[in-house]
Amino acid sequence: GQNIDQPTEMTATEGAIVQINCTYQTSGFNGLFWYQQHAGEAPTFLSYNVLDGLEEKGRFSSFLSRSKGYSYLLLKELQMKDSASYLCAARSAGSYQLTFGKGTKLSVIP
Amino acid sequence: EAGVVQSPRYKIIEKKQPVAFWCNPISGHNTLYWYLQNLGQGPELLIRYENEEAVDDSQLPKDRFSAERLKGVDSTLKIQPAELGDSAVYLCASSLGVGGQETQYFGPGTRLLVL
Repeated sequence: GQNIDQPTEMTATEGAIVQINCTYQTSGFNGLFWYQQHAGEAPTFLSYNVLDGLEEKGRFSSFLSRSKGYSYLLLKELQMKDSASYLCAARSAGSYQLTFGKGTKLSVIP
Repeated sequence: EAGVVQSPRYKIIEKKQPVAFWCNPISGHNTLYWYLQNLGQGPELLIRYENEEAVDDSQLPKDRFSAERLKGVDSTLKIQPAELGDSAVYLCASSLGVGGQETQYFGPGTRLLVL
């Protein structure tokens, strides 16, 4: 099985940079996903890492260290619309099941 | 391209009543998932279909929940009878291939309130 841990809430200022951490424990690992979920809406795909290192996509970047069971999502030049929950999810090898963390609620303030 | 479509968006029922949710995946997506999401929690998988076959239903409470995907396209999730604890958001997701290796794309969900 999988155990996913991420902070419950974070607050950051508009225009700043914020890093949301995620640690996972797994009996078989086949990739780490980040999703964004605005209140009352569907989770939307942000990024996917399966190899160690940093994946950059515009203002969002995601990092993975398989040896440490650790990932982070980096958001640059924060905008008010970035206020949302950010879900970390680890995929199991074999079953390919996604196990989600509880999500980190990010509040961007002026 | 249309995303995953779900209906209804909201449903309020009394306990012990039946309820059904419908999902139409992204066109061409062979794998379909039903998740349950409680407030302040991440989605939890209920069942995964590859085409019309349920390949992972280990977390579906089979005493009251059932699902079907008869033609390998749209799917229905049913609860009968509903209990107070079933109040949650029911999310449908789909991915392109089989085996669950591709990215999952989610629908807007059905928010269920059981009174």
